[in-house]
Amino acid sequence: GESVGLHLPTLSVQEGDNSIINCAYSNSASDYFIWYKQESGKGPQFIIDIRSNMDKRQGQRVTVLLNKTVKHLSLQIAATQPGDSAVYFCAEIPLSSGSARQLTFGSGTQLTVLP
Amino acid sequence: GAVVSQHPSRVICKSGTSVKIECRSLDFQATTMFWYRQFPKQSLMLMATSNEGSKATYEQGVEKDKFLINHASLTLSTLTVTSAHPEDSSFYICSASGLAGAVAKNIQYFGAGTRLSVL
Repeated sequence: GESVGLHLPTLSVQEGDNSIINCAYSNSASDYFIWYKQESGKGPQFIIDIRSNMDKRQGQRVTVLLNKTVKHLSLQIAATQPGDSAVYFCAEIPLSSGSARQLTFGSGTQLTVLP
Repeated sequence: GAVVSQHPSRVICKSGTSVKIECRSLDFQATTMFWYRQFPKQSLMLMATSNEGSKATYEQGVEKDKFLINHASLTLSTLTVTSAHPEDSSFYICSASGLAGAVAKNIQYFGAGTRLSVL
């Protein structure tokens, strides 16, 4: 049978508040990072990306911050809406992946937006 | 743009049968496609990387004779789960990445996933 599921880290926020989702990555040689959103029963959806030579990048209602010193990535969602409820994964591309550019996914965070 | 279609979305089969899952990039040419497996409340686990026209590269612990991958064109990859057993029941997801200039080469775009249940 399938493996016993692990408990995902969870974050609950009130609708309209800002959300901050954190991710610690493992490979100091990773040169590219992506945040994905996965709704229940669906595939991951690209949100925003950032290269390792940057420390901040903004999109529509979202901002990604990268701190290479402590190998930490965060996703900030402004004015969180009910439709933002989902599991959020950070992913990194280690240089060792070569031309295949394979992603290594973090464990994910379940975001729940409260009415 | 960058739409990936995965079919079927759900399949229920008897133990011992084979199941084929298709992954298509609809509006871009995918030089590389990836197949993942995901258990409930867990992250995505990469099974294999597939380049068009060549053999897939499987991750450690993934049986290549069990999970047959074909990437015959720049828009289609298939995963066949051969002689499926209940322990193969899972959520299988494909992704595709394209050429720089058309679609950012680092970004993988994902299909909607296939829920496989083996009885």
